[in-house]
Amino acid sequence: KAGVTQTPRYLIKTRGQQVTLSCSPISGHRSVSWYQQTPGQGLQFLFEYFSETQRNKGNFPGRFSGRQFSNSRSEMNVSTLELGDSALYLCASSLLGDRHNSPLHFGNGTRLTVT
Amino acid sequence: GNSVTQMEGPVTLSEEAFLTINCTYTATGYPSLFWYVQYPGEGLQLLLKATKADDKGSNKGFEATYRKETTSFHLEKGSVQVSDSAVYFCALSDRSGGSNYKLTFGKGTLLTVNP
Repeated sequence: KAGVTQTPRYLIKTRGQQVTLSCSPISGHRSVSWYQQTPGQGLQFLFEYFSETQRNKGNFPGRFSGRQFSNSRSEMNVSTLELGDSALYLCASSLLGDRHNSPLHFGNGTRLTVT
Repeated sequence: GNSVTQMEGPVTLSEEAFLTINCTYTATGYPSLFWYVQYPGEGLQLLLKATKADDKGSNKGFEATYRKETTSFHLEKGSVQVSDSAVYFCALSDRSGGSNYKLTFGKGTLLTVNP
């Protein structure tokens, strides 16, 4: 069974640009979450989607947005990039059969560098 | 709000040494607790979990017990191997928020095991 796939693995963007990251969850998984990982702040929750609906959102500015498609694939978008947005962005999916016991499965991340 | 505090790294051990990584938490509800491991260049993998007080999670020789009275979930392994070198994250999910998929992570502890 294929794991969580994130594309691209690496991105270099310039301040002010926008970027779209993609995540394909494990087949059958309906929940997709996004996390930002930086050396200073560690791992921070961005948002979670289930059946194309955003169920949970972290404390990030409106420049960070996401969506989920009917096949559970998800994208996140960051507009007007800032240097501080440089980070590893991790996507995780979950089966959601039993929401308190279904583990999160993480992808290998997209490394975004803003110059 | 929720928070997780884990011991500062890096931790350097010799092969076959005993490992303890301390983790304490603050949560408003009755959280589930997790340990995740991140190998270089990869995403996070669930190592073990515990969903209620006094539960013991275990996997690959690692163990952690959910201690409600001390709000702790310390990770232990009796004999570490070089292949255990990685970053370890303690995390919680707060059930009271209605979703299991908003994880709060500690800062991570880098473990290096020397042969």
